[in-house]
Amino acid sequence: GAVVSQHPSRVICKSGTSVKIECRSLDFQATTMFWYRQFPKQSLMLMATSNEGSKATYEQGVEKDKFLINHASLTLSTLTVTSAHPEDSSFYICSAKTDFRGGTGELFFGEGSRLTVL
Amino acid sequence: AQSVTQLDSQVPVFEEAPVELRCNYSSSVSVYLFWYVQYPNQGLQLLLKYLSGSTLVKGINGFEAEFNKSQTSFHLRKPSVHISDTAEYFCAVSKLNTGNQFYFGTGTSLTVIP
Repeated sequence: GAVVSQHPSRVICKSGTSVKIECRSLDFQATTMFWYRQFPKQSLMLMATSNEGSKATYEQGVEKDKFLINHASLTLSTLTVTSAHPEDSSFYICSAKTDFRGGTGELFFGEGSRLTVL
Repeated sequence: AQSVTQLDSQVPVFEEAPVELRCNYSSSVSVYLFWYVQYPNQGLQLLLKYLSGSTLVKGINGFEAEFNKSQTSFHLRKPSVHISDTAEYFCAVSKLNTGNQFYFGTGTSLTVIP
């Protein structure tokens, strides 16, 4: 299947700093990528949809100025957590979609990035 | 609106015993159905998917699921579990032809007891 890679897998930062997480599709082009946040023992919460060459679409309640998303190429989307605070500590997962028959396809997920803000 | 319900948050089962993880969905339109597995501190890996055709779908690691349209269910089964099956399992649905929107259940934590 398609491979999606996330980096870094773990990051620890001080409160007030910014952190960038990269999501790459290694063997396919992804015009659309998705960013999820997962709290312990909970499901994935869709944060935003990242579209190559255009602005991301954020879900209700997600601060676009806090979570900056850039989809600069067909194989790379980045999530930048700006001025991170301890409450931003979480597991962030990206995914990319493959298309078939012109309709929706399965999602391929990155390995996830665990952010800890001290 | 679409929603996905996983009725059991935790399922303990002894090694080599069968297991069923339940998933029900609600949707006013036709959907695609998926089961994903998540091991600790990792992303999600696709177990199997139902798109069309046969309602019994076989996936990786010996798992299978059956799509029941009348009961709007897509339960996941394995006849004999292994210790390595201990993980979090997520059911998900996607509307046909929307292109983007996936809806995930809250997950079921499967613990296989030696």
